[in-house]
Amino acid sequence: IVMTQSPATLSVSPGERATLSCRASQSITTKLAWYQQKPGQAPRLLLYGASTRATGIPARFSGSGSETEFTLTISGLQSEDFAVYYCQQYEDWRTFGQGTKVEIK
Amino acid sequence: QVQLQESGPALVKPSETLSLTCNVSNGSISSSFWSWIRQSAGKELEWIGRVYFSGSVIYNPSLKSRVTMSLDTSKNEISLILKSVTAADTAIYFCTGGSYFGYYFDQWGQGIAVTVSS
Repeated sequence: IVMTQSPATLSVSPGERATLSCRASQSITTKLAWYQQKPGQAPRLLLYGASTRATGIPARFSGSGSETEFTLTISGLQSEDFAVYYCQQYEDWRTFGQGTKVEIK
Repeated sequence: QVQLQESGPALVKPSETLSLTCNVSNGSISSSFWSWIRQSAGKELEWIGRVYFSGSVIYNPSLKSRVTMSLDTSKNEISLILKSVTAADTAIYFCTGGSYFGYYFDQWGQGIAVTVSS
């Protein structure tokens, strides 16, 4: 299953909302996870089951979607949220999207 | 909090075998499903395979012919062997853990950079 993320880069001002998209090449129901990766660090799990926050993840991170279309929303962007975000499906093996970089506008 | 630490060579010659180890501390190796994931310079993430203490192992079909993963419960270690490496295997290799059949990954090591070059 091919995961396609858009846009490749998203420029957002601190305090604003960021909306990231992830599309699956076939239905994955809600078997989708989101990760955040900062430079020089390993990815960090944000969400699984498309919308369930992982332990310790702030409520400003939310996810939605099912089947082939998914969205990660970050409300009220904070300085520590500027990073690269990846989606990952686990319906069929495990594959990742190519990432969306959220940068400061 | 479980900590994962990868170790192994930073440089491997083409056609040789890459061997990596991941040490699990502050937790039991029987408590999670363990996967290896790699990230190329282009930043793409690729899942390599998953192993569980029961002996259950699954591999990415694209790498299956060259990969072996195993656990050493006495050392609390996970190992990865990748045979016949090429430049395309150059990447940062992450050891990861996941509690729900290893479908997703909530524990990550810091990663180890491996270059395949003569």
